[in-house]
Amino acid sequence: AQKITQTQPGMFVQEKEAVTLDCTYDTSDPSYGLFWYKQPSSGEMIFLIYQGSYDQQNATEGRYSLNFQKARKSANLVISASQLGDSAMYFCAMRGEGKLIFGQGTELSVKP
Amino acid sequence: GAVVSQHPSRVICKSGTSVKIECRSLDFQATTMFWYRQFPKKSLMLMATSNEGSKATYEQGVEKDKFLINHASLTLSTLTVTSAHPEDSSFYICSARQLEDTEAFFGQGTRLTVV
Repeated sequence: AQKITQTQPGMFVQEKEAVTLDCTYDTSDPSYGLFWYKQPSSGEMIFLIYQGSYDQQNATEGRYSLNFQKARKSANLVISASQLGDSAMYFCAMRGEGKLIFGQGTELSVKP
Repeated sequence: GAVVSQHPSRVICKSGTSVKIECRSLDFQATTMFWYRQFPKKSLMLMATSNEGSKATYEQGVEKDKFLINHASLTLSTLTVTSAHPEDSSFYICSARQLEDTEAFFGQGTRLTVV
């Protein structure tokens, strides 16, 4: 069975600073994908970044980068130059074994 | 990105009635759709995976007769909460993908309140 874990229920970061949100996973499927989503209070799920299990390089999308360490089974999200609008819930998700499952989420608060 | 439309966005129903939630992929053919339930400040819990033309695969602990899922076409899946009770009140969200290794796109979610 596959599992995905986020151990930080809440994080605070100062505006303009960088922050790392942790995510670890476990799966027996050799082919899988890892995603990060942002969920503001409105409830919509906003796709941020994707990393495939066979991708050699870490994914980057603007201010978002994914620190993929396959041997450690971790896929941490790094947000650079935090903005007040980054305050939201962040979910790590894994596609594998025909499913898309989510971690517990991290509530990020950006302080001015 | 692709668009997934979920309706209604909010619904209030009386205990004992049934509620249908629709999830439509507007600009792509969704071979797979996922249904999730989310409590406030909590994770998205996968309820079931539905593939077009076949029966949905439910996660352990999810009552099949309570949460009826139909994926009759490549653009539409429905979730019907039957004989709703107050404990069924929650945020329900669907997502759809075209192929196994493609991104899944999410609907806007439905906030169900059973009174």
